[in-house]
Amino acid sequence: AQTVTQSQPEMSVQEAETVTLSCTYDTSESDYYLFWYKQPPSRQMILVIRQEAYKQQNATENRFSVNFQKAAKSFSLKISDSQLGDAAMYFCAYRSGGISNFGNEKLTFGTGTRLTIIP
Amino acid sequence: KAGVTQTPRYLIKTRGQQVTLSCSPISGHRSVSWYQQTPGQGLQFLFEYFSETQRNKGNFPGRFSGRQFSNSRSEMNVSTLELGDSALYLCASSLAEGRETQYFGPGTRLLVL
Repeated sequence: AQTVTQSQPEMSVQEAETVTLSCTYDTSESDYYLFWYKQPPSRQMILVIRQEAYKQQNATENRFSVNFQKAAKSFSLKISDSQLGDAAMYFCAYRSGGISNFGNEKLTFGTGTRLTIIP
Repeated sequence: KAGVTQTPRYLIKTRGQQVTLSCSPISGHRSVSWYQQTPGQGLQFLFEYFSETQRNKGNFPGRFSGRQFSNSRSEMNVSTLELGDSALYLCASSLAEGRETQYFGPGTRLLVL
């Protein structure tokens, strides 16, 4: 079974600064997907960024980027120019890929990191 | 395009009762998954439906069940409610074409007294 670990329960960053959230995972699969979701106080889970394991290039979405280290099974999220609206719980999630897992939509989540933005 | 919708948003029940939660996926999405979120256990996968068939199930007791209709809308049912069933229940939908992303609804907050 796959596991996802987020070792930072809480993080804080000054507004406009950069912060990195850590995530490690354990799997024996070679084809999979990794995600970062954001859950603000409204509780709506919002997709931040996604990475396919077969792609070597790190995904980027505006101020959000990842550092994907497949061999180390590490998937960190970097938020640049932090804004007050970035305050939320951030969850790292894993999903199996490959032909044998076609149709397996199950996401395995980490325990989350609560990010606070200091004005 | 409208997002995933869940009804009701809030629900209060007493132990022993049963409850039904509803989820309408994004238009065109054929897969619906359900997750339970609690402070103690975090986010846990309940089950996933595609074309009215359950394709995957998490490690939950048989009191938790679900179904999907021909229009892809899904319901989950919890019978004989226990205090520990108090949680945020999240529904997510996807195109289910092998490499798609799941998009979440706002959740239903269930409180069992």
